[in-house]
Amino acid sequence: TAGITQAPTSQILAAGRSMTLRCTQDMRHNAMYWYRQDLGLGLRLIHYSNTAGTTGKGEVPDGYSVSRANTDDFPLTLASAVPSQTSVYFCASSRDNTGELFFGEGSRLTVL
Amino acid sequence: GQSLEQPSEVTAVEGAIVQINCTYQTSGFYGLSWYQQHDGGAPTFLSYNGLDGLEETGRFSSFLSRSDSYGYLLLQELQMKDSASYFCAVRDSSYKLIFGSGTRLLVRP
Repeated sequence: TAGITQAPTSQILAAGRSMTLRCTQDMRHNAMYWYRQDLGLGLRLIHYSNTAGTTGKGEVPDGYSVSRANTDDFPLTLASAVPSQTSVYFCASSRDNTGELFFGEGSRLTVL
Repeated sequence: GQSLEQPSEVTAVEGAIVQINCTYQTSGFYGLSWYQQHDGGAPTFLSYNGLDGLEETGRFSSFLSRSDSYGYLLLQELQMKDSASYFCAVRDSSYKLIFGSGTRLLVRP
């Protein structure tokens, strides 16, 4: 069972370049999320989607955009990367409203 | 605004019991969850409390008091493999899940 697949696993990016982190789930979950994790700051929500066709802003949305064209895919785009976006990015999904999220393995992004 | 407070670090001895507290302030509340994360890994779900009281899953229990905006995770019979970071998370009125900054648990022999 694949669950949630994120790509790439790791990436080094020059500042000013654009980048899309991909996230695909095969569990038919309605809700999907993007978090970034920085040392000492826990997981901070960037954007989320409660169902296909809808998205919402999380705690730290600036500099990021998302789309949810279908149930399975939830890509995260950095239009013009900056060094402060160096982080580990986790995609997650949930089936219902019980607070149980399933996480991907993460994408480590370094912006130089 | 939304905020969650949990201790940054806890140390305990193998075989002991440890409690990790979490207090929260959110706009709307639809439950408190707990997650475990080992270094270099992804967070994994441990438990969820939607109503007041205690939920037990093996060696782990989680408690919620909505009137006090407070919950805790209780780990019993600690094992070395329990050394990890533990996060509380609340679901707010928009159904998004907001995480605390995490508690790093170190289990000593």
